[in-house]
Amino acid sequence: EVQLLESGGGLVQPGGSLRLSCVVSGFTFNNYAMTWVRQAPGKGLEWVSSISNNADTMLYAESVKGRFTISRDNFRNTLWLQMNSLRAEDTAVYYCARGAQSLLPDYWGQGTLVTVSS
Amino acid sequence: DIQMTQSPSSLSASVGDRVTITCRASQDIRNDLGWLQHKPLGWYQHKPGKAPERLIYGASNLQSGVPSRFSGSGSGTEFTLTISSLQPEDFATYYCLQHRSYPLTFGGGTKVEI
Repeated sequence: EVQLLESGGGLVQPGGSLRLSCVVSGFTFNNYAMTWVRQAPGKGLEWVSSISNNADTMLYAESVKGRFTISRDNFRNTLWLQMNSLRAEDTAVYYCARGAQSLLPDYWGQGTLVTVSS
Repeated sequence: DIQMTQSPSSLSASVGDRVTITCRASQDIRNDLGWLQHKPLGWYQHKPGKAPERLIYGASNLQSGVPSRFSGSGSGTEFTLTISSLQPEDFATYYCLQHRSYPLTFGGGTKVEI
């Protein structure tokens, strides 16, 4: 059974940092590109970042470029999103998903809530 | 960037109704791969507190395990999700997503309410 489990969310002050993790199981992680998507309160889904299966390509939404870094460890079946210089508008539930541009994301995690507030 | 305009943003319907949701892309998103024409668009169902669920991929292919009352159609710039007979468990928000190119872009969502 394919499973994705996010963690690392929480309350952080503006300008602060958080690192989200997504641990996966049930599939061969190094065969798949991976993606982070977020949903701000009362808003729709927004693509944040994607990484290729071998981590040689990373892409970011303009709204997070230069502040967020996506990475992965194919031995530990883990995806990360390092979020720096956080702003109030980054407040959202963050989801990791299997797939990206080459494969429409199919499996998603349950999400982890990030709240940026003083 | 490819913009996805989804309509309506919300709708009220009853159990048994036929429901149609539309997504329009700001440009043709077809991807010609030689003899195979790829339609890089999918549809998702999202319920509060849950993971989004993929319903349709390739514009018209039903995800395994998804009831056959869901169907997708369209090509180029206009795509449609149809629920042939709305069931109680279908009340949710629906999104289209284009993966023709980065940035991946979602439609604004359609909330289906009783």
